[in-house]
Amino acid sequence: KAGVTQTPRYLIKTRGQQVTLSCSPISGHRSVSWYQQTPGQGLQFLFEYFSETQRNKGNFPGRFSGRQFSNSRSEMNVSTLELGDSALYLCASSLGDRLDEQFFGPGTRLTVL
Amino acid sequence: DAKTTQPPSMDCAEGRAANLPCNHSTISGNEYVYWYRQIHSQGPQYIIHGLKNNETNEMASLIITEDRKSSTLILPHATLRDTAVYYCIVRAPFNDYKLSFGAGTTVTVRA
Repeated sequence: KAGVTQTPRYLIKTRGQQVTLSCSPISGHRSVSWYQQTPGQGLQFLFEYFSETQRNKGNFPGRFSGRQFSNSRSEMNVSTLELGDSALYLCASSLGDRLDEQFFGPGTRLTVL
Repeated sequence: DAKTTQPPSMDCAEGRAANLPCNHSTISGNEYVYWYRQIHSQGPQYIIHGLKNNETNEMASLIITEDRKSSTLILPHATLRDTAVYYCIVRAPFNDYKLSFGAGTTVTVRA
């Protein structure tokens, strides 16, 4: 079974631009969560989508948004990029039950110049 | 507020068992113990989780003390590919879905 895939793997943007990251979950998984990982802040939860609805949300500004499609694929968008948005963005998928383990993708490394 | 305490680093010889300790003295009755690891430049990988009984899967064993205040992750035969940062977390999945990693333990397996 194929794992979680994320595209692109690497991205370089400049301040003020916007970016869209994509995540394809494991087949059959209905929940997709997004995380931001930085050396200073560690792993921080952005939001979770289940059956095209946002089910949980972390403490990030409104510049960070996401959506999920009917095939469970998910995208996250960051508008008006700031230098501090440079990070590894991770997507994790699960079946959707609260006890299910989350399987992570390889991440998208975003660099904001 | 850190819920778990792990040693910052440890070395292990290839082929030997690696025993990774984790203290979680304030764990609540509905909180599970989860272990993940992250190999450099890759996404985190789920290893195992448990509530109070010892658990074993194809990757590792999880030993939880009777009072649930600490646990040990055992990698039975460490290989060089097990070199990674290992994260122990406690959470109540029905109350707090998100994962939050601390500093973890950097495990280096040496030939």
